[in-house]
Amino acid sequence: GAVVSQHPSWVICKSGTSVKIECRSLDFQATTMFWYRQFPKQSLMLMATSNEGSKATYEQGVEKDKFLINHASLTLSTLTVTSAHPEDSSFYICSARTSSGGDTGELFFGEGSRLTVL
Amino acid sequence: GQNIDQPTEMTATEGAIVQINCTYQTSGFNGLFWYQQHAGEAPTFLSYNVLDGLEEKGRFSSFLSRSKGYSYLLLKELQMKDSASYLCAVMDSNYQLIWGAGTKLIIKP
Repeated sequence: GAVVSQHPSWVICKSGTSVKIECRSLDFQATTMFWYRQFPKQSLMLMATSNEGSKATYEQGVEKDKFLINHASLTLSTLTVTSAHPEDSSFYICSARTSSGGDTGELFFGEGSRLTVL
Repeated sequence: GQNIDQPTEMTATEGAIVQINCTYQTSGFNGLFWYQQHAGEAPTFLSYNVLDGLEEKGRFSSFLSRSKGYSYLLLKELQMKDSASYLCAVMDSNYQLIWGAGTKLIIKP
């Protein structure tokens, strides 16, 4: 199956700093990537949909100025958590589809990035 | 509103069979997915149903009834490694995935 790589797996940072998480599709072109956040014992929460070459679409309640998403190429999307605070500590997961809608829509997930803000 | 319901937690015995139910109410329907998620890891794809009926894949089977807004995931010959959360997700008319909260499955020896 298609492979999505996410980096870093773990990151600890101080409050007020910014953290960048990368999501790469290794063997396919992903026109659409999704960013999720998952708090302990809760389901995945979609944060934003990232389309190559255009601005990301953010879900209601997600601050676009705080969670900067860039999808500069068909194989790379980045999520930058700006001025991180302890409440931003979470498990961030990206996913990608091999084609846009209309098919089985199977999502391939990155390994996830656990962010801890001290 | 859109809603996916599944039990919070289930317990089963190694070697037994367990059925995890999922009911949904969404704006449109373009398929239902089951994902397995071990603690601290990203979800992995298990099954996809878009037509009514049963899809079998090894020890795992998934059933869908669109008229009832209902699906279940059936796990046979349970193994300890099957202890995980099982997420039900429905793709709506906009091809967006609506996620259930997940069912934590505990397997006991």
